Amino acid sequence: GAVVSQHPSRVICKSGTSVKIECRSLDFQATTMFWYRQFPKQSLMLMATSNEGSKATYEQGVEKDKFLINHASLTLSTLTVTSAHPEDSSFYICSARGSGPYSNQPQHFGDGTRLSIL
Amino acid sequence: GQNIDQPTEMTATEGAIVQINCTYQTSGFNGLFWYQQHAGEAPTFLSYNVLDGLEEKGRFSSFLSRSKGYSYLLLKELQMKDSASYLCAVAGGFKTIFGAGTRLFVKA
Repeated sequence: GAVVSQHPSRVICKSGTSVKIECRSLDFQATTMFWYRQFPKQSLMLMATSNEGSKATYEQGVEKDKFLINHASLTLSTLTVTSAHPEDSSFYICSARGSGPYSNQPQHFGDGTRLSIL
Repeated sequence: GQNIDQPTEMTATEGAIVQINCTYQTSGFNGLFWYQQHAGEAPTFLSYNVLDGLEEKGRFSSFLSRSKGYSYLLLKELQMKDSASYLCAVAGGFKTIFGAGTRLFVKA
């Protein structure tokens, strides 16, 4: 099946640090990638939709200057949490969808990144 | 508006059958997905329904009725490892909308 690789799996760093998370589709071209955040025992919260070669679309309430998304190629999207603070500690998960802009393709998820800001 | 409803929690016994229901109201419909998510892990894809009826895949089956805005995931011969959250997600237009998930506890 389709494989999405997310790296790193865990980050522990000091407040004020910027953290970059990578999401790669390994065996298919992903025109659309999604970034989610999930707090313990809560549902997935979509942060932004990333389309290759264009600006990401952020959900309401998500600061685009805080969470920088770059989708430079059909196989790679990155999320940078800038100047992270303890309240940014969460489980960040990316997912990728195959070719075409429509949503009738399943999203395949990376393994997630557990971010802990001290 | 767009809304997906599924029960918050369910408990079932090992070896039994459990049905997890999902109702939805969305603008646009390109199909319905079910995902499994174990605690602390990312979701994994289980099934996709776009036409009415039952799709069977091993111990898991998924049903869809588009006219009723209704789906269910049926898990047979429950195993302890099936304890997880099950997410119903509807593909509409360019976005997939996820439900909050149903946490299933399988007891011995």
